[in-house]
Amino acid sequence: GAVVSQHPSRVICKSGTSVKIECRSLDFQATTMFWYRQFPKQSLMLMATSNEGSKATYEQGVEKDKFLINHASLTLSTLTVTSAHPEDSSFYICSAHPGQGISPLHFGNGTRLTVT
Amino acid sequence: ILNVEQSPQSLHVQEGDSTNFTCSFPSSNFYALHWYRWETAKSPEALFVMTLNGDEKKKGRISATLNTKEGYSYLYIKGSQPEDSATYLCAFSAGQAGTALIFGKGTTLSVSS
Repeated sequence: GAVVSQHPSRVICKSGTSVKIECRSLDFQATTMFWYRQFPKQSLMLMATSNEGSKATYEQGVEKDKFLINHASLTLSTLTVTSAHPEDSSFYICSAHPGQGISPLHFGNGTRLTVT
Repeated sequence: ILNVEQSPQSLHVQEGDSTNFTCSFPSSNFYALHWYRWETAKSPEALFVMTLNGDEKKKGRISATLNTKEGYSYLYIKGSQPEDSATYLCAFSAGQAGTALIFGKGTTLSVSS
C-alpha cells in the first residue's frame, strides 16, 4: 500500500518552455504533499508544501511564480516549472503525508529534468 | 538553519560484514527522526520513524537507535547483503505531524559479494 506515482520520470525540454510534473497517491489520500529538489551530491531540499485546496507554502529562495504548485484533490498534486532555464535542471521528487499522526512520507520515483 | 549531517558519505563493505552509519541533527525542538532506504531508480522507502529518546527499532537485519538529547541516531546493518546496497537517508522533523522533513545527504552503501 501507500504508493505514490510520479510522472514523467524523465523529461528534456528547451529553454523557455514549461514542464508539468504530476504526483498521485494511488491508494491513500494525501492531506499534505511536499516537493523536493536534489542537485548532484546534495541533500533533498524542500521546495514547497502543499495542502489540498489551499495555496502552497514555498521555502525561502523558491520562486512561487516559477514553480507553480497545484493540489486540487487529495490524490493529485502538480508542479509546473514555468519558462524553464538550464539552471532548473535537477531531480524533482514529490512525497505525500497521509495526515495520520506520526507516519513516514511516501515518495514518488522522482523526475529528472534537463533543460537545454 | 537546521542541518542534518550524515556520515560516512559512502561506504563499501563485503558481504557478511556488519556496518553502521551516523545521523546528527539539531537536539532542540525535536519531533521525529526518519530513516529511508533509497535504491537506484526507485523511490525512497521508509525504514523507521522514531520519536522518543532511547528508542530502538529493528526491521530484520537493520536496526536504529535514537538519542534526542545529544542529537544523533545510528543505523546498523548486521551481516550486509548485496541487496542492502542503497543510499540511506536520515531526516529530521522539528514540527508537528505532517511537517516537512529536513534531509541529510545520505550514506551510500555498496555491498560486494
